[in-house]
Amino acid sequence: DAGVTQSPTHLIKTRGQQVTLRCSPISGHKSVSWYQQVLGQGPQFIFQYYEKEERGRGNFPDRFSARQFPNYSSELNVNALLLGDSALYLCASSLGSGSEQYFGPGTRLTVT
Amino acid sequence: QQQVKQSPQSLIVQKGGIPIINCAYENTAFDYFPWYQQFPGKGPALLIAIRPDVSEKKEGRFTISFNKSAKQFSLHIMDSQPGDSATYFCAASKIRGFGNEKLTFGTGTRLTIIP
Repeated sequence: DAGVTQSPTHLIKTRGQQVTLRCSPISGHKSVSWYQQVLGQGPQFIFQYYEKEERGRGNFPDRFSARQFPNYSSELNVNALLLGDSALYLCASSLGSGSEQYFGPGTRLTVT
Repeated sequence: QQQVKQSPQSLIVQKGGIPIINCAYENTAFDYFPWYQQFPGKGPALLIAIRPDVSEKKEGRFTISFNKSAKQFSLHIMDSQPGDSATYFCAASKIRGFGNEKLTFGTGTRLTIIP
């Protein structure tokens, strides 16, 4: 079975630009969560979506937004990029019923 | 506020030894405690998880010990192998209903198993 997939793998952007990251969950999973992992630290929760509705939001500025589509895939958007947004962005999927979360390989975003 | 504290930051163990990684949490509402393994350039992979109704759980060479009164839990890796060299993260969450499963992660432990 295919795991969580994310695209692109790597991305280089300039300060002030906007970026969209994509995630496809494991087949049958209805929940998608986004995490930011800065080098040397643990992942930090950004958003969770379940059945296309936002169910949780972490302590991130409004420059971060996300959505979930009818096929349960998801996009994370970040506007007005800052150098500090450079990180590995991880997507995790789960059944949504208090179950295990499975992570994708991540998108490495570098802001210059 | 760091709600999950993890130690040690790094650990070197000889092959066959039993590395132990410890985590402590503050929020007594947490009711789900997974451990993840992460290799460089990869996403975290779920290893094993425990809920507070049991004090120990084993899956293969991995064991979680859980102490609810002390608000602590630990990961033990039996018969460690060089292939176990990776960064390990503990995490915690409070299951608040469907689709509400925010994980709070520890800071990670870089484990090196030497032959």
